[in-house]
Formats: sequence, structure tokens, C-alpha cells
Amino acid sequence: QKEVEQNSGPLSVPEGAIASLNCTYSDRGSQSFFWYRQYSGKSPELIMSIYSNGDKEDGRFTAQLNKASQYVSLLIRDSQPSDSATYLCAVKGYSSASKIIFGSGTRLSIRP
Amino acid sequence: EAGVTQSPTHLIKTRGQQATLRCSPISGHTSVYWYQQALGLGLQFLLWYDEGEERNRGNFPPRFSGRQFPNYSSELNVNALELEDSALYLCASSPGRAWTEAFFGQGTRLTVV
Repeated sequence: QKEVEQNSGPLSVPEGAIASLNCTYSDRGSQSFFWYRQYSGKSPELIMSIYSNGDKEDGRFTAQLNKASQYVSLLIRDSQPSDSATYLCAVKGYSSASKIIFGSGTRLSIRP
Repeated sequence: EAGVTQSPTHLIKTRGQQATLRCSPISGHTSVYWYQQALGLGLQFLLWYDEGEERNRGNFPPRFSGRQFPNYSSELNVNALELEDSALYLCASSPGRAWTEAFFGQGTRLTVV
């Protein structure tokens, strides 16, 4: 079982719709969760971080965390063509020495 | 404020040679992380340095090594290069060990021929 799993996609969403990206993790003690966006040929950039169960909203983005189900998701409202990218889920364990593990990413395509 | 800078941008080496990649973190950041991203694949954790010490290491052979200097810059060394080492090598830095504000550099594209 992979430590952090994501559906590789591609996920195709019409412009203006809600894109839903999902991620599951295996380490039940994980405490910190991050979503990164990576455009082709570029380095990842941080979109959001979430540490507590529930929802966290930032503009068009909402991160959702359910530690009991070991599940974290990212919702993108009013999807724009510029949102087309690969979205990476990253998880950090409980210990301060824990490494950050990335999922393999979900490729999102917003169609006009 | 300057971001994370990596050098060189591109590097072409022959199988069996050694490669040295460099990373300068954001000013004030003490932690440096190295990741390998092979074409079409996710980020694989390589090494993490904080305050000059190695804090964690990924599942890579010993020919992948590195160090962090007193000014918190870091270098990654890959010895006895193999064709499958061809990848984008990404460095990220954060203010401490918590990865709350970690930012990536633009990466070094290593090609082994």
C-alpha cells in the first residue's frame, strides 16, 4: 500500500464547475496535510495546508480533512482553465522528524 | 525577497560520473529538503537537512548523499550515475522543521546519457 494515494486522472471538469480531488494516506498518526499545484515543467507551489478535521476555505479552494477515514480532499469552485495542472497531496507524520510524503498527483483538465 | 534558488538549471552527465546539485534556501529558512521527480512520476523524498544535520533520508542508495553548510545552503551529490537517475531534482526550504511555509526551487534537470 502506498503511503499517500491519489487518482492519477486525468480528471476533466467543465469550466465553472466544481473540481474535487481526493487523497488517502496510510499513517494514522499523520498531522499535517498540504495541497500543491504543479504546472507542466514547473516546480510545485503550495495552495493550502490543513491540520484539523473539517473544512478550510481560501478563496475558490476548500480543503477537507477526515482523520478517522484517513482522507483529505481539495475542492476547486468555479474552475478556470488556469486551474489545469497536476495537484499533489503531501502528508507529514506526527514526529518532528517525519518526512513529507507526496502522492503521485492528479492531473486536472478544465475544459472550456 | 529571493526565493529558493537551485543550480545548475540543467545538467548532462555520462553514466558512471558524479553530479553535484546546489540549493540556496530562502533567507531565514533552516531546513532544506531534496526530492526526485522522474518524468511523469510523483515526488520521491531523498534527504532532509536542518541546522546542518541530516534529519531524515528516503529509500535511496548510499550513492545519493548531501550536506548542509553553515549558511544553510545545501548540495546533493549523486555518485556512479545511472540512466534511471535522470529526473528533475527539486529542493524546498522551510523556516523550521514544521514544513508550514515550504517553498520549492525551480529544480535541476539532470540527464544521464
